[in-house]
Amino acid sequence: RKEVEQDPGPFNVPEGATVAFNCTYSNSASQSFFWYRQDCRKEPKLLMSVYSSGNEDGRFTAQLNRASQYISLLIRDSKLSDSATYLCVVRTGYSTLTFGKGTMLLVSP
Amino acid sequence: DAGVIQSPRHEVTEMGQEVTLRCKPISGHNSLFWYRQTMMRGLELLIYFNNNVPIDDSGMPEDRFSAKMPNASFSTLKIQPSEPRDSAVYFCASQTGFREKLFFGSGTQLSVL
Repeated sequence: RKEVEQDPGPFNVPEGATVAFNCTYSNSASQSFFWYRQDCRKEPKLLMSVYSSGNEDGRFTAQLNRASQYISLLIRDSKLSDSATYLCVVRTGYSTLTFGKGTMLLVSP
Repeated sequence: DAGVIQSPRHEVTEMGQEVTLRCKPISGHNSLFWYRQTMMRGLELLIYFNNNVPIDDSGMPEDRFSAKMPNASFSTLKIQPSEPRDSAVYFCASQTGFREKLFFGSGTQLSVL
């Protein structure tokens, strides 16, 4: 089983839609979780950290389910500018970050 | 703040040639990472340095790859000899502390013909 798994997509949604991505991780000792965003031909950038209690940043909500070892990202009221690849990222103990391959989102007018 | 600076942005070379990728981390950042990204394998960590010392190079594919960090403001990733399967985007990233935000450079698109 891969360390971090994501549905590659693409997820095609119209503007204004709500879309959710899930990510599963294999190491139950993983302690820190993040979502990064990567635009086409650009570098990854931190979108948000994921906290145990769940957290929200504007239209973005991230949640963590430790029992089932998955992380989710919910985007409400999708904008054209949300089109990108969303990378699920996990840190286990003092190790470095492990990136998922990403989920592509395409928001259309 | 100029961010993490990588050069060159694009590199096209022939199989067997030596390739050197360069990275200047953000000033004050004491950890530096080299990643490789391909469609098939996603983002893979090759090596990381802490305070200029290589900490984990288990991701380096083979002896053809080597990385150095002679000082806090400069690192290189060298491939010698290069092979077509090395074609990928190579990212350098830095951070201030282990649990802090990771900042990526714009990457080097390497094509080995």
